[in-house]
Amino acid sequence: QVQLQESGPGLVEPSETLSLTCTVSGGSIGTYYWSWIRQSPGKGLEWIGDIYHSGSTNYNPSLKSRVTISIDTSKNQFSLEVRSVTAADTAIYFCARVGGDPRIFGMDVWGQGTTVTVSS
Amino acid sequence: QSVLTQPPSASGTPGQRVTISCSGSSSNIGRTYVFWYQQLPGTAPKPLIFRDIQRPSGVPDRFSGSKSGTSASLAISGLRSEDEAVYYCAAWDGSLTGLLFGGGTKLTVL
Repeated sequence: QVQLQESGPGLVEPSETLSLTCTVSGGSIGTYYWSWIRQSPGKGLEWIGDIYHSGSTNYNPSLKSRVTISIDTSKNQFSLEVRSVTAADTAIYFCARVGGDPRIFGMDVWGQGTTVTVSS
Repeated sequence: QSVLTQPPSASGTPGQRVTISCSGSSSNIGRTYVFWYQQLPGTAPKPLIFRDIQRPSGVPDRFSGSKSGTSASLAISGLRSEDEAVYYCAAWDGSLTGLLFGGGTKLTVL
């Protein structure tokens, strides 16, 4: 059974870079697409972007200038960086596996989520 | 304000059938597949429907998806107390080239 676990700092200062890692266990990171999604306090879900095991990426146009998603197949991990963060980036960040072609299958396995607060 | 529009709330009594709507446009729901997710309080979203109408293994057939034109719906029959959650629709947008989520519908089981 594939499991995903997010890790990273829970507190980031304004203007700094938020960095999170998602570790995949119980299966290989190869073959699939992998996504990051966030949820601001009391709000809905926002797709941040995804990455294929080959390294090709697709980003939310509203975040694209500040976001980088990368993958390390040797460690079975993929990562998220959000630069120049503000309080608006405070959210629960989820990593997820996409079950196949993202336009067909959607996210079928999710991490439990990690809370990131942007504050000085 | 989300590009995919859902009612903020819905309710029903145990055993009832409820439907949750998701309205989009020709650049998203009208041309791409719709997904539905269930988020129980304090947990990660769980996939309910993909490819408009298909259920992942393990999802009860009480949950069903449908789509017509630029709108989609999630129906829950035989409502149970454990169905109380927030439900999100999602679809890719060809114009915005990204995945969109609806604002979510909080379902209350009375």
